Amino acid sequence: AQKITQTQPGMFVQEKEAVTLDCTYDTSDQSYGLFWYKQPSSGEMIFLIYQGSYDEQNATEGRYSLNFQKARKSANLVISASQLGDSAMYFCAMTSTGGFKTIFGAGTRLFVKA
Amino acid sequence: GAVVSQHPSWVICKSGTSVKIECRSLDFQATTMFWYRQFPKQSLMLMATSNEGSKATYEQGVEKDKFLINHASLTLSTLTVTSAHPEDSSFYICSAGQTKETQYFGPGTRLLVL
Repeated sequence: AQKITQTQPGMFVQEKEAVTLDCTYDTSDQSYGLFWYKQPSSGEMIFLIYQGSYDEQNATEGRYSLNFQKARKSANLVISASQLGDSAMYFCAMTSTGGFKTIFGAGTRLFVKA
Repeated sequence: GAVVSQHPSWVICKSGTSVKIECRSLDFQATTMFWYRQFPKQSLMLMATSNEGSKATYEQGVEKDKFLINHASLTLSTLTVTSAHPEDSSFYICSAGQTKETQYFGPGTRLLVL
């Protein structure tokens, strides 16, 4: 069975500093996709970054980068130069081979301090 | 990016009534849409996969007779919560994907059953 684990219920970071949100996953599929989403208090799910299991390079999107370590089955999100607007819930998610079905981790709430 | 809308964004109803939530892909066609439920301070839990022109696929533990899903066109899926009870109060989110790498989420519908 597939599973996503986020072990940090909450994280604090000082504005302008970098922060790493942890995510580990478990799957028997050879082909899968890993995602990070941001959910502000409004509830909308905002796509941040995607990493395919066969992608050799770590994905980057602006201030977001995904530290993909396939052998360790980890897909940590790194946010550089944190901003106050980054305060939100962050979910790690995975899709499996052949479809768009997505499972989510428990989430990490990030607090950015001024 | 692609846009997915949901209507209504908020609904309050009496116990025993049925509530219909619409999910629309506004600028792309989606043969598959997904319905999630999110309780306060929890992660998104996949309820069902909505397939255009065929029956929905429900996740284990989700009552198909209670949560009716209809995917009548390539741009519209509806979730009907039948005979709603207070324990059905939750945040319902739909998503639609163009490719495995992209999943677009609707803004969500907050349901409160009194």
